[in-house]
Amino acid sequence: EAQVTQNPRYLITVTGKKLTVTCSQNMNHEYMSWYRQDPGLGLRQIYYSMNVEVTDKGDVPEGYKVSRKEKRNFPLILESPSPNQTSLYFCASTPLGQDTDTQYFGPGTRLTVL
Amino acid sequence: RKEVEQDPGPFNVPEGATVAFNCTYSNSASQSFFWYRQDCRKEPKLLMSVYSSGNEDGRFTAQLNRASQYISLLIRDSKLSDSATYLCVVTSGGSYIPTFGRGTSLIVHP
Repeated sequence: EAQVTQNPRYLITVTGKKLTVTCSQNMNHEYMSWYRQDPGLGLRQIYYSMNVEVTDKGDVPEGYKVSRKEKRNFPLILESPSPNQTSLYFCASTPLGQDTDTQYFGPGTRLTVL
Repeated sequence: RKEVEQDPGPFNVPEGATVAFNCTYSNSASQSFFWYRQDCRKEPKLLMSVYSSGNEDGRFTAQLNRASQYISLLIRDSKLSDSATYLCVVTSGGSYIPTFGRGTSLIVHP
């Protein structure tokens, strides 16, 4: 089944404790991205990647890192989480070079930073 | 001014009603337009792409008005299961950073 998976789905952590949220897709998509969704603010892009070893900042990259060592994986790293990073996070992937740039979203990771 | 704007609603309609949402965008170079549906606390899912000629999928019709820079979504014969948030998404030519609207909430009641 074609899908985007994220882990963990729920995470409660404390300020300053490094964490990684994994994202994996099995559709061989070139483009992957991370979003956060907050009430009243909608979906905002954090980072995106056009392909392996190619990453770039989105609208709200501060406090986050990403890596793209393999095509299928695009982990989101919070080196020193803070309470303002409490949010719902979505990973998405998109095939490039086609007529549509439809995004396929993962199920979301709900992060709480205390 | 936000690049993509939507009326947050909620639009509260009875079953069987016809309801329409608009979404305005500010970047005249925008080239790709989509409507996504998001259920509470779930991931967004593509509802339909929006083409210049407009497109229809069953009870759903999407239209693009480039001159006035807006897209619309029309839902006919609303079902209870249509209750969700509808997100407008716009991508500019050559950019891979899609801009999401904040969504329009639809509540269909019996």
